[in-house]
Amino acid sequence: KQEVTQIPAALSVPEGENLVLNCSFTDSAIYNLQWFRQDPGKGLTSLLLIQSSQREQTSGRLNASLDKSSGRSTLYIAASQPGDSATYLCAMSSSRNSGYALNFGKGTSLLVTP
Amino acid sequence: DVKVTQSSRYLVKRTGEKVFLECVQDMDHENMFWYRQDPGLGLRLIYFSYDVKMKEKGDIPEGYSVSREKKERFSLILESASTNQTSMYLCASSLRGLHNEQFFGPGTRLTVL
Repeated sequence: KQEVTQIPAALSVPEGENLVLNCSFTDSAIYNLQWFRQDPGKGLTSLLLIQSSQREQTSGRLNASLDKSSGRSTLYIAASQPGDSATYLCAMSSSRNSGYALNFGKGTSLLVTP
Repeated sequence: DVKVTQSSRYLVKRTGEKVFLECVQDMDHENMFWYRQDPGLGLRLIYFSYDVKMKEKGDIPEGYSVSREKKERFSLILESASTNQTSMYLCASSLRGLHNEQFFGPGTRLTVL
């Protein structure tokens, strides 16, 4: 199975900082990549979906980029707030698997301190 | 607004019991999924369905079955619950076809004693 890796596993930043979360993947046959947010004990909230033909997607203070050639995606969060504290997961859809299922990374747990 | 609901947020069952987890979506989506999420292992796909009465095994189907009798409802069944099925169960749905954005429910935390 293709690997999706998120490093670091945990990150703590002071409020107001701009930050970047990383997601790397080994599958060059990526079709799209989805970023999710998960609050403790809750389900996943879809943040952004970026197609393999795109370089970037933006929603408010969030910007996701995708570089197929290097096997990397980043989620940029501008002017972080304590309410951004959550676990962020990336998941890819590939032409190699069924095309229905997502392959998830294990997530980065973000803490934004006041 | 997109909505996926799950029948219970928390469930406690005993070993050997038959357990039903229900998922309902109101977005007229054709595809529905069941995942489980465990610390250190992440999310893993159990089963998915791309149409009524259709089902496909995911990565970890052993010990589970599913039912899709209506488009909006997808049930996960634990035929004889075991302690290693204690986990967070997440349901998701997406539009017909491949590679579509998935929308998740709030999850069911199942504990098997």
